[in-house]
Amino acid sequence: KAGVTQTPRYLIKTRGQQVTLSCSPISGHRSVSWYQQTPGQGLQFLFEYFSETQRNKGNFPGRFSGRQFSNSRSEMNVSTLELGDSALYLCASSLTSEYEQYFGPGTRLTVT
Amino acid sequence: DAKTTQPTSMDCAEGRAANLPCNHSTISGNEYVYWYRQIHSQGPQYIIHGLKNNETNEMASLIITEDRKSSTLILPHATLRDTAVYYCIVRVVGNDYKLSFGAGTTVTVRA
Repeated sequence: KAGVTQTPRYLIKTRGQQVTLSCSPISGHRSVSWYQQTPGQGLQFLFEYFSETQRNKGNFPGRFSGRQFSNSRSEMNVSTLELGDSALYLCASSLTSEYEQYFGPGTRLTVT
Repeated sequence: DAKTTQPTSMDCAEGRAANLPCNHSTISGNEYVYWYRQIHSQGPQYIIHGLKNNETNEMASLIITEDRKSSTLILPHATLRDTAVYYCIVRVVGNDYKLSFGAGTTVTVRA
């Protein structure tokens, strides 16, 4: 069974730009969670989607948004990028988020 | 408020068993012990989880003490590819929707 895939793997953007990251979950998984990981803050929860609905949301500004499609694929968008948004963005899929979550390789975003 | 405590780092010889301890003295009756690991710059990888019985899968074994206040993750035959940060967490299955990692244990497997 194929694992979680994320695209792109690496991205360099400039302050003020926007970015869209994509995640394809494991087949059959309906929950997709997004996390931001930085050396200083560790792993921080962004939001979770289940069956195209955002069920849970972390404490991030409105510049961070996401959506999920009917095939469970998910995208997250960050608008008006700031230097502090530089991080590893991780997507995790699960049957439902309260059980084991399986992570993708992440997208390394660098904002200059 | 850290629910688990782990040693900061440990070394292990290639081919030998690696025993990773975790203390979770305030664990509740409905909280499971989960282990993940993260190889440098990659996404975290789920390893194993358990409630009170010992568990084994193709990657590792999890030994939970009878009082559930501590546990040990065992990698039976460590390889260089097992070098990673290992995270022990407790969470309520069916209730906690997000993961939160502490500092974890940096395991270095040496040839």
